[in-house]
Amino acid sequence: DQQVKQNSPSLSVQEGRISILNCDYTNSMFDYFLWYKKYPAEGPTFLISISSIKDKNEDGRFTVFLNKSAKHLSLHIVPSQPGDSAVYFCAASAGNTDKLIFGTGTRLQVFP
Amino acid sequence: NAGVTQTPKFQVLKTGQSMTLQCAQDMNHNSMYWYRQDPGMGLRLIYYSASEGTTDKGEVPNGYNVSRLNKREFSLRLESAAPSQTSVYFCASSEQGIFKYGELFFGEGSRLTVL
Repeated sequence: DQQVKQNSPSLSVQEGRISILNCDYTNSMFDYFLWYKKYPAEGPTFLISISSIKDKNEDGRFTVFLNKSAKHLSLHIVPSQPGDSAVYFCAASAGNTDKLIFGTGTRLQVFP
Repeated sequence: NAGVTQTPKFQVLKTGQSMTLQCAQDMNHNSMYWYRQDPGMGLRLIYYSASEGTTDKGEVPNGYNVSRLNKREFSLRLESAAPSQTSVYFCASSEQGIFKYGELFFGEGSRLTVL
C-alpha cells in the first residue's frame, strides 16, 4: 500500500523553464513533508521541507506547495538548470513518529 | 567531516549466507535509519532507531535485524540472504528526528547482490 505516490516516473524540461514535480499522499495523519534529490551512485540529499501549518515554502529556486484538502504537494524549480537533472523523491511523516515514508521518485532531465 | 559512512560499498552473497551492513555517523545525531532502494519502488524504510537503545520496524522489516550499538553506529543484518534482498541499501541519520521536523542525512549506499 503506497502511502506516498509520485505518478510521473520521468519529466523532461528545457533549461530556463519551470519544472513541476508532483506528489500525492493517502494518509491524512501526515503533517510534515520533504523533498530529496538523488544523483546516480550517491545518497539522497535534502532539498526543502514543509509542515502542514503552511501551504508554501521557498528556498531560492525551489518552492514547495502543499494542498492539504487534496493531499497533494508539488515542487517547483525555477529556472531549471542542467545540474538539476536527478531523481526527486518526496517523503512524508506523521507527527507522532520518526518514520519517514518516501515516494517512488521522478527522474527529471533538464536539457539545453 | 565524514557524515554518514556505510561499509561495505559492494557485496555479493550466495543465497543463505549472512552478512552485516555497518553504518556510522559522526554528527552526534540521535536518530538513525536503514532504507532500501529498488527500481520502481523508491526508498522503503526497513528499520529505524529514534534514539540509542531503541529500534522500530519500518515498511519492510522481514528478513532483517538491526542493532543500535551506540549513538554513532546502527548495523543491519541479513541472517539468511535471499535474491529478493538484492538492492541498494542506504543508512541515514537525523539530529532531532523527523517528529521534531528534522531532516535525514544519507550515506552513499551499499549495493548488495544475492545470487
